[in-house]
Amino acid sequence: AQRVTQPEKLLSVFKGAPVELKCNYSYSGSPELFWYVQYSRQRLQLLLRHISRESIKGFTADLNKGETSFHLKKPFAQEEDSAMYYCALKGRGYGQNFVFGPGTRLSVLP
Amino acid sequence: DGGITQSPKYLFRKEGQNVTLSCEQNLNHDAMYWYRQDPGQGLRLIYYSQIVNDFQKGDIAEGYSVSREKKESFPLTVTSAQKNPTAFYLCASSKLAGNQPQHFGDGTRLSIL
Repeated sequence: AQRVTQPEKLLSVFKGAPVELKCNYSYSGSPELFWYVQYSRQRLQLLLRHISRESIKGFTADLNKGETSFHLKKPFAQEEDSAMYYCALKGRGYGQNFVFGPGTRLSVLP
Repeated sequence: DGGITQSPKYLFRKEGQNVTLSCEQNLNHDAMYWYRQDPGQGLRLIYYSQIVNDFQKGDIAEGYSVSREKKESFPLTVTSAQKNPTAFYLCASSKLAGNQPQHFGDGTRLSIL
């Protein structure tokens, strides 16, 4: 079965500290992985996806197929990074559905 | 993302009353989705549709109904059979290709009076 887990409900770090939001998945095949972010009073929006291999707002995420993980990392956290982060999986191929993790609330302290 | 519009932003329902949440998109996306967002539970899929006049139940479809008469519109009705309807409801849309992300609306917060 498809499943996405995010073990931390809440993660608090100080400004300037490194941050890693964990995401593990189970999927029988090669999935597409995404990170979504929801800032206070804003809509849920795409942060990055593994296929793009990009860095957005200083965040990166590497797909580790051996560990079935897609952890989100940033070397120096900023206060404006405080938000709710969701890891999501989508099966490859046409017409596949998304599966979202429960989310991690990141709080960056001054 | 101004391409998806949900209305109203806030909605109040009396016990035993059906209410309909609106979702419209102008992104020409084939697929549309309804999620329920509760604290600590992430997003749970209620219904989804990949083509006009067809839709499928998600993980928590009981007490909800949808229609997809037009590609742009995917309204959700919360019926009186839904025992715990107070929640934040999110609508999303996407292209059907595997690597395409979802785009979300601003959401509707439903409360029971």
